[in-house]
Amino acid sequence: DTAVSQTPKYLVTQMGNDKSIKCEQNLGHDTMYWYKQDSKKFLKIMFSYNNKELIINETVPNRFSPKSPDKAHLNLHINSLELGDSAVYFCASSSGRGVEKPEQFFGPGTRLTVL
Amino acid sequence: GENVEQHPSTLSVQEGDSAVIKCTYSDSASNYFPWYKQELGKRPQLIIDIRSNVGEKKDQRIAVTLNKTAKHFSLHITETQPEDSAVYFCAASRLSSGSARQLTFGSGTQLTVLP
Repeated sequence: DTAVSQTPKYLVTQMGNDKSIKCEQNLGHDTMYWYKQDSKKFLKIMFSYNNKELIINETVPNRFSPKSPDKAHLNLHINSLELGDSAVYFCASSSGRGVEKPEQFFGPGTRLTVL
Repeated sequence: GENVEQHPSTLSVQEGDSAVIKCTYSDSASNYFPWYKQELGKRPQLIIDIRSNVGEKKDQRIAVTLNKTAKHFSLHITETQPEDSAVYFCAASRLSSGSARQLTFGSGTQLTVLP
């Protein structure tokens, strides 16, 4: 009954490959996010979707493409992986009622290692 | 955009002592300030948050204070225990009705509680 889940937990791949990370939440939230945590632990927003619509799209290479098939799922596809993409990627979700329920709940993270 | 600075980057305290972590933010329109705790290899977890209409909030051994004029907020942990050892992140956001509001995170504080 995990609230926010991600697969896979670990992903090791070669430069140039294409990979996807999946995220699902069962909290009934309307908004989902992708964050990147680099080797220095810095957390930075990448994307946010609200009811399957892209809301936030920070300065991220267009090799990264989020896809939301429904409001419970937000996947991240990465093309032509580079060494600098190695990081932990966290999915998060929050209620669409931004003022009343702003809390964001994080998934367990996916550690991506590009060789 | 918002910029959040967090200090110190590392903090060691003796068990039973208090710990204080400080953050400053740049956007005067920010009105929501959560704190997250991240244990090694785990997801960030919300431990306490405060809104700009409140100056202080307490939850057992944890308290957060906010000074809107100076644009800084602090996390206070009293009677620290070894299980409080983790990385703590502050964040800031501008809440409004409707959809996603991005969190801007500080750079994190590694807290070590020495037995």
